[in-house]
Amino acid sequence: GDSVTQMEGPVTLSEEAFLTINCTYTATGYPSLFWYVQYPGEGLQLLLKATKADDKGSNKGFEATYRKETTSFHLEKGSVQVSDSAVYFCARDSSYKLIFGSGTRLLVRP
Amino acid sequence: GAGVSQSPRYKVAKRGQDVALRCDPISGHVSLFWYQQALGQGPEFLTYFQNEAQLDKSGLPSDRFFAERPEGSVSTLKIQRTQQEDSAVYLCASSLARGSTYEQYFGPGTRLTVT
Repeated sequence: GDSVTQMEGPVTLSEEAFLTINCTYTATGYPSLFWYVQYPGEGLQLLLKATKADDKGSNKGFEATYRKETTSFHLEKGSVQVSDSAVYFCARDSSYKLIFGSGTRLLVRP
Repeated sequence: GAGVSQSPRYKVAKRGQDVALRCDPISGHVSLFWYQQALGQGPEFLTYFQNEAQLDKSGLPSDRFFAERPEGSVSTLKIQRTQQEDSAVYLCASSLARGSTYEQYFGPGTRLTVT
């Protein structure tokens, strides 16, 4: 069935470091791809999305490009902040529902 | 405006008890989803409503799980005879309509602990 695989955490970075969180998805159909973020004590929030191959989603300095040839949707940010510390989930849609990866915890130290 | 709300936020149940978890979606949202998030994992789909119709319940793990949305607004997820493996965070999400064009907005979740 449809699935999403993302790199395990935790990922620990110093402030202003470059971030990459890897995500790959099963290539069935023509899915839309998403990154959700869960800040401590809060609910899941949509961070960015891309709906077709070569699309780039971006928000709050984060970017991810829909790569059909490698079935990937890696999350990147050029300079992380302490406030970016959270759990990040990659997801694809499967019809109307979302299929999530297992999440990657990011900890940014001052 | 108000987001998706869920109650209670925390629930402790003894094994064998029945529990009911409530979700208030964003007003006017047609689609409503329930997901289960085990500790350290991503959310997993349980069931989907379009208005009052339950169109997909393929993710419900057993017949002890039952969900309803009788008036097409508030939804309740009921778990009968709770077991320890039911311990998880239960997330509700709503969207304006069906399809990935429409963002799913998530509530804060109900953390269920079965002792």
